Amino acid sequence: GQQLNQSPQSMFIQEGEDVSMNCTSSSIFNTWLWYKQDPGEGPVLLIALYKAGELTSNGRLTAQFGITRKDSFLNISASIPSDVGIYFCAGHRRYSGGGADGLTFGKGTHLIIQP
Amino acid sequence: DSGVTQTPKHLITATGQRVTLRCSPRSGDLSVYWYQQSLDQGLQFLIQYYNGEERAKGNILERFSAQQFPDLHSELNLSSLELGDSALYFCASSAPGRGETEAFFGQGTRLTVV
Repeated sequence: GQQLNQSPQSMFIQEGEDVSMNCTSSSIFNTWLWYKQDPGEGPVLLIALYKAGELTSNGRLTAQFGITRKDSFLNISASIPSDVGIYFCAGHRRYSGGGADGLTFGKGTHLIIQP
Repeated sequence: DSGVTQTPKHLITATGQRVTLRCSPRSGDLSVYWYQQSLDQGLQFLIQYYNGEERAKGNILERFSAQQFPDLHSELNLSSLELGDSALYFCASSAPGRGETEAFFGQGTRLTVV
């Protein structure tokens, strides 16, 4: 099946630092999404991107849909302790016949913040 | 709170048994998705229902089946359970529009097969 390569796998950073993570694919996606998952919880949608080249912000989070439609990145500025968690990228593909798949997820970036 | 409700939160059962996981989508959402999350496979799409009909199928085993009822709640049935089926099972729902891509996840059911 389709694979999303998400990196880095984990990040150890100091509070206040900026964070950057990315996702690449061998296939084109129509939509890129970024989710955050806390322990014992389901993934929470952070940002959805619908157009190649689109740059979208949600507070301290900024994400971009790559122009090749095969990649996306997520930046977090001025990290705070509650940013700790696992961040997942996800891609969605629609087919010309009108069908679509569910989301394809990356393996996640585990963000750890040292005070 | 995403508005998606899943029950039960935890389930422990023996190999060979059958279980049913339940999901109530957000009010107004017509699409329901089921995902499996395990340490080795990550989050994997299993199946999607839209307004009672199956719309898309992912990596769902033949031992697993799902349905969506007229009130839009959904059930995922897992049968002939094996140790490897132990995982977190998530339900998600999405609203019409935007290609129904913005999926909102429930808190999951943790299934342990012993």
